[in-house]
Order: sequence, then structure tokens, then C-alpha cells
Amino acid sequence: EAQVTQNPRYLITVTGKKLTVTCSQNMNHEYMSWYRQDPGLGLRQIYYSMNVEVTDKGDVPEGYKVSRKEKRNFPLILESPSPNQTSLYFCASSLSPESRNSPLHFGNGTRLTVT
Amino acid sequence: LAKTTQPISMDSYEGQEVNITCSHNNIATNDYITWYQQFPSQGPRFIIQGYKTKVTNEVASLFIPADRKSSTLSLPRVSLSDTAVYYCLGYTGGFKTIFGAGTRLFVKA
Repeated sequence: EAQVTQNPRYLITVTGKKLTVTCSQNMNHEYMSWYRQDPGLGLRQIYYSMNVEVTDKGDVPEGYKVSRKEKRNFPLILESPSPNQTSLYFCASSLSPESRNSPLHFGNGTRLTVT
Repeated sequence: LAKTTQPISMDSYEGQEVNITCSHNNIATNDYITWYQQFPSQGPRFIIQGYKTKVTNEVASLFIPADRKSSTLSLPRVSLSDTAVYYCLGYTGGFKTIFGAGTRLFVKA
């Protein structure tokens, strides 16, 4: 089944403790992206990747890192989480950004709480 | 970048047609307009996409006027299960994506 898989679904951590949220897609998609969703603010893009070893900042990249060493994986890294990063995070992928009719496929989300 | 503006919420009754309009500011010439549906605790799901005029699939219709500065998602004969948040997205140049805050649709019996 074609899908985007995020892990974990729920994560509670403390301020300053490094964490990684994994994202994997099995559709051979070139484009992958991370979003955070907060009440009243919709989906805001954190980082995106056009292909392996090609990443760029979205609208809210501060406090986050990403890597794209393999086409299928796009982990989100919080080196020193803070309470303002408590949010619902979504990973998404699409076939190719150059193809303007490539819709995004989303994972089921990771709910992160930083205390 | 194409900023999108949508109504915050809408109410409807089962069996009615619902139209949700999105305004796209500065949409690029080669951008498509895409709509997504999101249920609680799930990721957004693609509904429909178009470039101009009208597109229809088994779920919805999408109307895009000639100037492409707005689009209207039309859900025919909604049911309780259509209660969700609907997002329009201008698939932007520069490969960034801009989602609006979404429209919360509540369908009543």
C-alpha cells in the first residue's frame, strides 16, 4: 500500500532532550516536506526536500533540522526541543515538484509535547 | 508566493450543496490549485485539483474563474461524514507550499 509513515505517533519529552521524528514513503517520491499544525494557524511548512541531499527552509525552520540521505526517508530532528515546539507534525511527499499536478500525500501525524 | 484566504468555518445540513471559496493572492502562472480534506487526528487528504475552468471527480467539483484569483470547492449533497477541515493550496513556485488556516465545515443532521 502506498503510504507515508511517521513514527512515533505520540511523543512526550522534556526541554533540551534531542529527539528525531522519522518519516518514510514507499512511492519513490522526489519531494518530501515537514509541517507543523497549531490551532488557528493551519499547516506551516518547516523544511522540504527536492531530492536526496537537497533540502531547504520553509516558513518556520527555526529549531529544526532535517536530512535526506535516502530518497524514501526524511527525518525531522529537534536538537534542543522547547515548549513552543509542542505541536502536531505532519510529513508529506509528492512525486515531483516540477510536475505541478503532483498532490501531496500526508502521514498520520506525530503529536509532540515538550514540557 | 501564493497566499490563500478562506472562511474560517461554515455550517450546513445533510443533503445540501456546500461551496467553499478560496482567494489566492499572487498565484503563479503555472500553479495548480489543490484542495485537501482533513479529519481529526489524521493527515490531510487530497480531494481535487485544477488549473482553470471546472474540474469534477467522484467527490467534488472545483470552479476556477478566468483570472484564477479564486477557486470554489463544491461538495454536492453533503453528509455527516463530510464534517472536516478543508484547505486550499496554491502549489507554489520555488517549491514552498502555503496552506491557509482552512475552513471548518460542520454538517448537521
